[in-house]
Amino acid sequence: SQQGEEDPQALSIQEGENATMNCSYKTSINNLQWYRQNSGRGLVHLILIRSNEREKHSGRLRVTLDTSKKSSSLLITASRAADTASYFCATDAGGTSYGKLTFGQGTILTVHP
Amino acid sequence: ETGVTQSPTHLIKTRGQQVTLRCSSQSGHNTVSWYQQALGQGPQFIFQYYREEENGRGNFPPRFSGLQFPNYSSELNVNALELDDSALYLCASSRGRGEGQPQHFGDGTRLSIL
Repeated sequence: SQQGEEDPQALSIQEGENATMNCSYKTSINNLQWYRQNSGRGLVHLILIRSNEREKHSGRLRVTLDTSKKSSSLLITASRAADTASYFCATDAGGTSYGKLTFGQGTILTVHP
Repeated sequence: ETGVTQSPTHLIKTRGQQVTLRCSSQSGHNTVSWYQQALGQGPQFIFQYYREEENGRGNFPPRFSGLQFPNYSSELNVNALELDDSALYLCASSRGRGEGQPQHFGDGTRLSIL
């Protein structure tokens, strides 16, 4: 079963615009991770944010985490056509469940040149 | 640094058959996790192996089984294949038991059941 919802399910933007994807989850977590998946390929790790962190940056990526609302967002600034992919959030509950990720259903991002 | 490799890339089987999928973990990684990804869905955790022992299992029936070898490579075996087993099977490796570690995924095996 999926941990939560991702919103929107699909997002279509022009190159240069910003893209924001949201993720909600249901149970307490140790950390939350974002992954990218190009069509027919494996997942590529983008960023990991721990439950005691509120914001994290990596290049053009900015992730926020609100544990009180059980939600996270991924912002991609100045999007490029190469950013076209599916994006997934994944939660790690920690404890005996360390490393056993629970994924959302993903957001399909299309960036038009 | 060699990444995670999976074989075969594609496989077609019929209902009732058995299948073995293989995964070589990234150099330096001793934990392997397997996920099933149905079309249009996010991956679902099947099980994890740490130093050759099963270290957690998701909501999958016993006909899904696995192994991890001393070199930390791994196999996923599925018996009595059903139509719903058609999916992309992903292997991911990480260091330690995965505590706060990103996972490194292979490109998967696309399994089709006829």
